[in-house]
Amino acid sequence: GQSLEQPSEVTAVEGAIVQINCTYQTSGFYGLSWYQQHDGGAPTFLSYNGLDGLEETGRFSSFLSRSDSYGYLLLQELQMKDSASYFCADNLIYNQGGKLIFGQGTELSVKP
Amino acid sequence: EAGVTQFPSHSVIEKGQTVTLRCDPISGHDNLYWYRRVMGKEIKFLLHFVKESKQDESGMPNNRFLAERTGGTYSTLKVQPAELEDSGVYFCASSQTGTHVFGPGTRLTVT
Repeated sequence: GQSLEQPSEVTAVEGAIVQINCTYQTSGFYGLSWYQQHDGGAPTFLSYNGLDGLEETGRFSSFLSRSDSYGYLLLQELQMKDSASYFCADNLIYNQGGKLIFGQGTELSVKP
Repeated sequence: EAGVTQFPSHSVIEKGQTVTLRCDPISGHDNLYWYRRVMGKEIKFLLHFVKESKQDESGMPNNRFLAERTGGTYSTLKVQPAELEDSGVYFCASSQTGTHVFGPGTRLTVT
């Protein structure tokens, strides 16, 4: 089976850096995706790691270490609008349209 | 391009009634998925269509749930008869390769 663990809540202040960790136990792990969800709305894609290492997209970076079954999402220069839920997900068979297996989500609160 | 749309946005029904949710994927996306989030828990996979064919329905909870995708365009998810535990937000997503594009969801409340 598959399971992904991430903290339920994280709080940080505006302008700071926050890291949201994700550990996984999956059979047939393929790659790690990150999605953002505001106020229960549509989850939106942030980043994907198919290989070990760091992927950077503007203020957001994501990291994967397959040997440690671990990844993280790094948010820099936090803004109030970054307050949202963040989900890591195992993207089964990424290039063939595979389904997503999600973690339980991390609620990020950004304070002034 | 237009995004993934879902209808209705909210539905409140009584236990035992029937509800049909609709999803219109992004035009040209062969892959269509249904997911559900219940009571703040993780978003759980329900099923996956490739065009009009069911590729994977391993996440469907039971036979009260029926999904169709006639003609490989829009999809419907029918719950009949609805039970209290079916309450949650039902998301549809489509993709051409790997990245899912999600719709805004249908919030279903069964009373």
